[in-house]
Amino acid sequence: DSGVTQTPKHLITATGQRVTLRCSPRSGDLSVYWYQQSLDQGLQFLIQYYNGEERAKGNILERFSAQQFPDLHSELNLSSLELGDSALYFCASSVAGEVGTGELFFGEGSRLTVL
Amino acid sequence: QKEVEQDPGPLSVPEGAIVSLNCTYSNSAFQYFMWYRQYSRKGPELLMYTYSSGNKEDGRFTAQVDKSSKYISLFIRDSQPSDSATYLCAMRLPGYSSASKIIFGSGTRLSIRP
Repeated sequence: DSGVTQTPKHLITATGQRVTLRCSPRSGDLSVYWYQQSLDQGLQFLIQYYNGEERAKGNILERFSAQQFPDLHSELNLSSLELGDSALYFCASSVAGEVGTGELFFGEGSRLTVL
Repeated sequence: QKEVEQDPGPLSVPEGAIVSLNCTYSNSAFQYFMWYRQYSRKGPELLMYTYSSGNKEDGRFTAQVDKSSKYISLFIRDSQPSDSATYLCAMRLPGYSSASKIIFGSGTRLSIRP
């Protein structure tokens, strides 16, 4: 158990809808990262928050947004959903904002299916 | 062309075999290399981290980097059924210490037959 909690584990919704994925980082970790994992694209970095502030942005669509709250949990909001948004969404956390050695702790993911 | 290429497998080998997992990459400036293991229905976990060229050993696992060929490998000795998982290689450039700069391969599915 990595200590990172993600909810929901599975989500099925329709095109055009909006969903919110939730992540609670490990106790003491200040950074939260969101990743999208699909079969053809692999693990893609979306966005990072550090202690409530956006720290880095990757290939995140404008239809997607995220935030980190004062208690350090984070939410990823996906709107105007398309079939291609179906994927596994992972949250990861780390103590610091910089983890060049790759020591990230991943949650079990939220599997999103858009029909 | 993807920056990091990895054969998706699946790769199936008998228990006790030596497994070789590989990745190629296009950017010769990559200096930091990682291997993650991802069990089914779980998130990735860091297995090995190496800097620049050479070998690094940790128990039954050996990570090897050949920068001249832009090729990295993960060897698993005396493979066990518990090693069955997807293995993702990952790498990043020097000077970018943020995890947001880590580029992941798409993973190789490995199955160890008892």
